[in-house]
Amino acid sequence: KQEVTQIPAALSVPEGENLVLNCSFTDSAIYNLQWFRQDPGKGLTSLLLIQSSQREQTSGRLNASLDKSSGRSTLYIAASQPGDSATYLCAVRGDPQGGSEKLVFGKGTKLTVNP
Amino acid sequence: DAGVIQSPRHEVTEMGQEVTLRCKPISGHDYLFWYRQTMMRGLELLIYFNNNVPIDDSGMPEDRFSAKMPNASFSTLKIQPSEPRDSAVYFCASLGNFEQFFGPGTRLTVL
Repeated sequence: KQEVTQIPAALSVPEGENLVLNCSFTDSAIYNLQWFRQDPGKGLTSLLLIQSSQREQTSGRLNASLDKSSGRSTLYIAASQPGDSATYLCAVRGDPQGGSEKLVFGKGTKLTVNP
Repeated sequence: DAGVIQSPRHEVTEMGQEVTLRCKPISGHDYLFWYRQTMMRGLELLIYFNNNVPIDDSGMPEDRFSAKMPNASFSTLKIQPSEPRDSAVYFCASLGNFEQFFGPGTRLTVL
């Protein structure tokens, strides 16, 4: 059974700092990995998606990497801003060949960027 | 496209009442997912559909929960009877080629 772990559970940093959020998963037979952002009381917004054949994806100040063999992904946020404060969730999708389109989520990292 | 649409956004009901949550997926998406999010358990998949057919309902907690997808543009999640421990945020999501897109959620409070 796939399990996804995110460390740390919470992180507080000063504005302008570069930071890394970590995600690990137990079964490396994944189809892709998605990073989401969730603001308080809101739904999930997809930030980046990395296919299993890819090593990284970038969008603006965000960069996500994937090391499938070791079961790890990182989300790098450059020059953090107070508006980046949110909970960041990592989710992995099983191999559709195995009949699974399900996403398995980690419990998230709550990020606070202080002005 | 307006994205995934859910209604109601908030629901407060009393224990024992029937609750029906509604979802309209993004047009053209073949998969629809229902999730539940709580502080204790995080985000849990309840059930998902492919082309309106339920594929995996192993996450549905009890027989009190049921879900239907009568057509490609509409799904319901019903709880009957509701209990206080059902209080949570319920999300609907639909899957395009690769990415899942989430609705804004329904916050359910059962008193």
